[in-house]
Amino acid sequence: AQTVTQSQPEMSVQEAETVTLSCTYDTSENNYYLFWYKQPPSRQMILVIRQEAYKQQNATENRFSVNFQKAAKSFSLKISDSQLGDTAMYFCAFMKHEPDSNYQLIWGAGTKLIIKP
Amino acid sequence: DTEVTQTPKHLVMGMTNKKSLKCEQHMGHRAMYWYKQKAKKPPELMFVYSYEKLSINESVPSRFSPECPNSSLLNLHLHALQPEDSALYLCASSPFPGESNQPQHFGDGTRLSIL
Repeated sequence: AQTVTQSQPEMSVQEAETVTLSCTYDTSENNYYLFWYKQPPSRQMILVIRQEAYKQQNATENRFSVNFQKAAKSFSLKISDSQLGDTAMYFCAFMKHEPDSNYQLIWGAGTKLIIKP
Repeated sequence: DTEVTQTPKHLVMGMTNKKSLKCEQHMGHRAMYWYKQKAKKPPELMFVYSYEKLSINESVPSRFSPECPNSSLLNLHLHALQPEDSALYLCASSPFPGESNQPQHFGDGTRLSIL
């Protein structure tokens, strides 16, 4: 069975600082996908970034980037130049590659990120 | 703007009421999902529809009854709910069940309160 662990229940940083959210996972699979989702107080779950396990290059999306360490089973999210709108719950999620079947997300417990003005 | 639309946004109902939650997407996605989310917790998968057929039921009590009338619509019928069913109910969709690199797109959710 796969598990996802987010060890930081809550973090807070000043606006414009850089912050890193940690995520580790456990799996025996070789092909899988990793995601970071953001859920602001408005409730909508928004995809921030995704990483395919077979790709060695770390994914980046504007101010968001990941540090994917496959051997260590680590998938941290770095937010550069943090903004007030980044305040949200951040969930790390795992999905194994299983052709011709439905895909279930395995979720971490979440990290509450607060950006202070 | 969300591409997955859920109605209503808020619902308060008694334990003897019957109500329905609705979810709609017009992205041509062929997989749709219902999740239950408690405060400060990750979503818990309830049901998955793949090509309008129920493919996953995560041992959800029968007081929750899903329905997929067509590829764009997903309903969740509620009857005789318990106070512990109060939660945020999220709907999601993804393009094709067979393409795992496509992420799920979520709606804003329905905040359900059981009196």
